[in-house]
Amino acid sequence: QSALTQPASVSGSPGQSITISCTGTSGDVGSYNLVSWYQQHPDKAPKLMIYEDTKRPSGVSNRFSGSKSDNTASLTISGLQAEDEADYYCCSYAGSSTWVFGGGTKLTVL
Amino acid sequence: QVQLQESGPGLVKPLETLSLTCAVSGYSITSGYNWGWIRQAPGKGLEWIGSKFHSGSPYYNPSLKSRVTISLDTSKNQFSLRLSSVTAADTAIYYCARAHSWYYLDRWGQGTLVTVSS
Repeated sequence: QSALTQPASVSGSPGQSITISCTGTSGDVGSYNLVSWYQQHPDKAPKLMIYEDTKRPSGVSNRFSGSKSDNTASLTISGLQAEDEADYYCCSYAGSSTWVFGGGTKLTVL
Repeated sequence: QVQLQESGPGLVKPLETLSLTCAVSGYSITSGYNWGWIRQAPGKGLEWIGSKFHSGSPYYNPSLKSRVTISLDTSKNQFSLRLSSVTAADTAIYYCARAHSWYYLDRWGQGTLVTVSS
């Protein structure tokens, strides 16, 4: 069970859109519609932003959206705001009653 | 409102057993859902440790399976983590969380730092 692959960092200016990728395998991301995304600000607990690949929990801004193609899931944030600066983690069900996380991506708002 | 709160020693000696408890308020752990533990080593990413539904066997990360035990105490509405034979590599912030089956983790505790050191 290997960690999902995310870029270490991404950046964008306020108002722009950015996309964070999350690459797994046919045994996890590619097999189930069970990718979730979490936002983590420094010294805070993670917060659910996207679940089941594309769904957004109540209370999460519609500037956040999720998608998936084959073994790669993506999180897109549109209309970047300073408050979006945080670490983002993807997570996928990996079969056999296990989960696997991505290594995390640091988003910098320039 | 559902709240989770971790508690336990912040310092554990090498080769000893790490024990943490997660107290749940605002929801009965017997009503459903999956209760789990996730950790984050300093400056590193998240790692799923294991989970347990309100009934049935627990499930563990294969890389930690031989050392981990997760159990539920329904009388106190809390669940626990035990990690044996710890080393410095087990130093991390440990989070407890509630999950909707294997779909997602929707409620997290604030996390507790555990340092393994003599």
